[in-house]
Amino acid sequence: AQKVTQAQTEISVVEKEDVTLDCVYETRDTTYYLFWYKQPPSGELVFLIRRNSFDEQNEISGRYSWNFQKSTSSFNFTITASQVVDSAVYFCALKSGVSQGNLIFGKGTKLSVKP
Amino acid sequence: DAGVIQSPRHEVTEMGQEVTLRCKPISGHNSLFWYRQTMMRGLELLIYFNNNVPIDDSGMPEDRFSAKMPNASFSTLKIQPSEPRDSAVYFCASSPPGQIIAKNIQYFGAGTRLSVL
Repeated sequence: AQKVTQAQTEISVVEKEDVTLDCVYETRDTTYYLFWYKQPPSGELVFLIRRNSFDEQNEISGRYSWNFQKSTSSFNFTITASQVVDSAVYFCALKSGVSQGNLIFGKGTKLSVKP
Repeated sequence: DAGVIQSPRHEVTEMGQEVTLRCKPISGHNSLFWYRQTMMRGLELLIYFNNNVPIDDSGMPEDRFSAKMPNASFSTLKIQPSEPRDSAVYFCASSPPGQIIAKNIQYFGAGTRLSVL
């Protein structure tokens, strides 16, 4: 079975705090792809990052960083020095195998950053 | 470049009416996806097309739902007759061609918020 679990339903932080959003996935495939999307209050889904199962290097993009650990089946997302504009729902998603077209989404984590 | 375009952005209708949602994928993309987002079930796939052919429609709830992709630049999702439980946000997404389908990034439209009274 393929599954994505985002255990944190809601997180509230104060601006400039660091925050980590957890993502745990399940799959039996050795090849798979992990994604993060952001859904701001306006409602659209914005792609943030893709990671394949063979690349465990962490990635940093500005204030965003991602930690991929196959040993714990986790793909966590950290925002450093959070800003009010980071307030959104963040989704972790999985595509398992090489031929799967659709995304399997977690339930999302709602992040509120207060000034 | 224009992103995925969905119309209408909002739709309010009465139970029993036919509803048609529209999607224009990004030019050059050859896969198109319809997802539904609800509070209870989150984001779930309804159907996806590759090169205008339906590949997986296992997420289509029942016969009241149908989707078409008559050409590479247009798709519709139709609900007939609509019911209150169909109220949700419906997203369309497209992805570019690529040898490894699972690797392709999906780009989403702004969604259609449907309310069935």
